Amino acid sequence: AQKITQTQPGMFVQEKEAVTLDCTYDTSDPSYGLFWYKQPSSGEMIFLIYQGSYDQQNATEGRYSLNFQKARKSANLVISASQLGDSAMYFCAMSSLRGNNRLAFGKGNQVVVIP
Amino acid sequence: ETGVTQSPTHLIKTRGQQVTLRCSSQSGHNTVSWYQQALGQGPQFIFQYYREEENGRGNFPPRFSGLQFPNYSSELNVNALELDDSALYLCASSLSWGRLVDGQTPNSGNTIYFGEGSWLTVV
Repeated sequence: AQKITQTQPGMFVQEKEAVTLDCTYDTSDPSYGLFWYKQPSSGEMIFLIYQGSYDQQNATEGRYSLNFQKARKSANLVISASQLGDSAMYFCAMSSLRGNNRLAFGKGNQVVVIP
Repeated sequence: ETGVTQSPTHLIKTRGQQVTLRCSSQSGHNTVSWYQQALGQGPQFIFQYYREEENGRGNFPPRFSGLQFPNYSSELNVNALELDDSALYLCASSLSWGRLVDGQTPNSGNTIYFGEGSWLTVV
């Protein structure tokens, strides 16, 4: 079974500052993928970034980067230069890379960016 | 714009009724998964369809059923609606990783994309 833990309380972030969202995971699978999604109040789940367990380098996608520490089983999301439009819930998720690609999600982190 | 479309976006049903939610997957994607997201929670996996067959199911009762069509679009059906079925239902579109072309690995280019969801309220 796979488990994602996101325990940070809601966060207020100053515009243009960086923010780090914590995610730890647990799995017995040797081959897995880690995802971060953004969910604004409209409900759509927006893909941000993906990291494979065998990837040697940390993933980056524009202002998003993933701090992947395999030994510690953590996959923290870093958002640089926060914008007002970054205010949303952020979900960490994982999937085995064998069999079907069902996602196991954490409970999410609420981020509010303030001017 | 993910190319994944869901309908309807909002609906209200009465307890005991039946509901059908629809999803059109992204072009080229052969796998559709459905998730239920209750208020304040992360999404929970309901089931997945690959090439018109169920390919994994989460901890949901049989009154949750689905279909996938030859064009890879999908339906989620819920019978005998209960108040606790009130939630956001999300459809996810992807390529089946177990069936990627040899040598191809998942990456940000062939990952899992969601639609905008269907908000279901049961009264």
